Amino acid sequence: DVKVTQSSRYLVKRTGEKVFLECVQDMDHENMFWYRQDPGLGLRLIYFSYDVKMKEKGDIPEGYSVSREKKERFSLILESASTNQTSMYLCASSNRDLTGELFFGEGSRLTVL
Amino acid sequence: LAKTTQPISMDSYEGQEVNITCSHNNIATNDYITWYQQFPSQGPRFIIQGYKTKVTNEVASLFIPADRKSSTLSLPRVSLSDTAVYYCLVGAPGSYKLIFGSGTRLLVRP
Repeated sequence: DVKVTQSSRYLVKRTGEKVFLECVQDMDHENMFWYRQDPGLGLRLIYFSYDVKMKEKGDIPEGYSVSREKKERFSLILESASTNQTSMYLCASSNRDLTGELFFGEGSRLTVL
Repeated sequence: LAKTTQPISMDSYEGQEVNITCSHNNIATNDYITWYQQFPSQGPRFIIQGYKTKVTNEVASLFIPADRKSSTLSLPRVSLSDTAVYYCLVGAPGSYKLIFGSGTRLLVRP
């Protein structure tokens, strides 16, 4: 079974703090993604990576950066957290096969005070 | 990327068949239709994917008419545990920018 593990289920941070969200997958997938999910807005893509050290902006990259130094790990970084970044963050991975099936982690709920 | 439209919510009772329809008028030739299921406090989970006609697996069936401008996810004999949000996505397999939208919130009652 594919497993995508997000380091923290719940975080509380203060405005201006730097926040790291870590994601690790164990199925040797090339692609990894970060989404945020807010009520009424569905899932919105922040960044994705199709290979080590490669990254592409998604639909809402402002205020975020990412790092992929190893194939299995994809980190989302909030350089200076703001209250409007309070959200559920979901990491996913996929292989370059016909279905493109996304495998998601359980999510990290971030609250910025 | 093709935009999808699906009902915001649906109610059903245990044991009934549930059909959730998704509209995707601008679907491209290379696009597949994929459905995901999401339970509260969990990430979405792949249910089924199809290109045309009908696809069936152990969980659901997917019906796609010839013009492919819509699709219907069919859940046979739902149970309380099928209460979840269901997302319809349209895109080329492996596309990096699949759009999830707001999904359909299905509530199954006893």
